[in-house]
Amino acid sequence: SQTIHQWPATLVQPVGSPLSLECTVEGTSNPNLYWYRQAAGRGLQLLFYSVGIGQISSEVPQNLSASRPQDRQFILSSKKLLLSDSGFYLCAWSSFGTGNQPQHFGDGTRLSIL
Amino acid sequence: GESVGLHLPTLSVQEGDNSIINCAYSNSASDYFIWYKQESGKGPQFIIDIRSNMDKRQGQRVTVLLNKTVKHLSLQIAATQPGDSAVYFCAENNPFGGNNNDMRFGAGTRLTVKP
Repeated sequence: SQTIHQWPATLVQPVGSPLSLECTVEGTSNPNLYWYRQAAGRGLQLLFYSVGIGQISSEVPQNLSASRPQDRQFILSSKKLLLSDSGFYLCAWSSFGTGNQPQHFGDGTRLSIL
Repeated sequence: GESVGLHLPTLSVQEGDNSIINCAYSNSASDYFIWYKQESGKGPQFIIDIRSNMDKRQGQRVTVLLNKTVKHLSLQIAATQPGDSAVYFCAENNPFGGNNNDMRFGAGTRLTVKP
């Protein structure tokens, strides 16, 4: 069966520091991968998605970047964090290809910027 | 008890009662819908999905109803239990999103089950 792992679960960082959040998927090959941000009481905002190694699409202009160095690894980064980067970050995967497939989520990282 | 998506973001029911959570979706061309459950501090968990060629689908204690005429989706939970307390939200696909399985998510309804 497929599993998705995100770490760390919580992170407290000072303004201006770098960021690296990691997500890995097991039990599937060539998945679509996604990074979302979830604000309290709001819907999920798609930040990035990837349909293959090295292929990253950005949905919104922002202070963050994403990379996919391996098939089942997705990384969310920032060179200098802003206060507005605080939030709950979720990684998700779905099966590749056309035809609708559900997205499956990790347990998220709670990021607090001080 | 019933809730209407974003207009009533909280729903409180007695243990053992049936719950109905509603969702209005935006795109009449959407043809795939998902319900998720999100417990506090965790990621959303897939509950059930439905494609537009169906108007009803049943799972274990859950039923999803789709009314394409009025762009409405509902999740019915039978014999609600304390473990069902969570935020529930619906998602609709972007039918023009290509192979990235693009989904759009609602803000959700918080279900509280009273013992």
